[in-house]
Amino acid sequence: GENVEQHPSTLSVQEGDSAVIKCTYSDSASNYFPWYKQELGKRPQLIIDIRSNVGEKKDQRIAVTLNKTAKHFSLHITETQPEDSAVYFCAASWGFQKLVFGTGTRLLVSP
Amino acid sequence: DGGITQSPKYLFRKEGQNVTLSCEQNLNHDAMYWYRQDPGQGLRLIYYSQIVNDFQKGDIAEGYSVSREKKESFPLTVTSAQKNPTAFYLCASSESGIGTEAFFGQGTRLTVV
Repeated sequence: GENVEQHPSTLSVQEGDSAVIKCTYSDSASNYFPWYKQELGKRPQLIIDIRSNVGEKKDQRIAVTLNKTAKHFSLHITETQPEDSAVYFCAASWGFQKLVFGTGTRLLVSP
Repeated sequence: DGGITQSPKYLFRKEGQNVTLSCEQNLNHDAMYWYRQDPGQGLRLIYYSQIVNDFQKGDIAEGYSVSREKKESFPLTVTSAQKNPTAFYLCASSESGIGTEAFFGQGTRLTVV
């Protein structure tokens, strides 16, 4: 079955720096790649997603890139702010919405 | 903050007892899911359902059971066969089709005492 690996497990940056989280997936049939943000004690919420027919997608300070050949995708956060501190999960799905998640990255943005 | 509701928020269970976690959604979504969240292990899929009266095992279904008698409801039973049930359980739902956003409930933290 699908396997999604996520790195790093923790990431500490200074406010204003950029943060990059990387994920690799195993099933070349995967065609949907969302990213979720989970703040402490709260539910995961979708922040951005990308489909396999697109190489890059941006939404203000966040962007996601997809390399289908290498089977990896990345989340980029620019101009980080303390409120960006959270756990971020990548996921991949194929077929009918069987989302498989990565193990999560704890991002800490220090003022 | 409606949409998908899990109850209770905290649940304590004695060893050997079955316990049922509730998940209700009013988003008219066809698909519903149960995930287990443990520290450092991300979200692991327990069961999912694409339509009423149908469900499939996920990656860690052993010791769990579900039902999908109504579109709005997808309860999860943690049975005594689950050897390590203490965890945070998340329910989610999404529209049918490929590549649609999954909406999560606020979670239930189950502790075996």
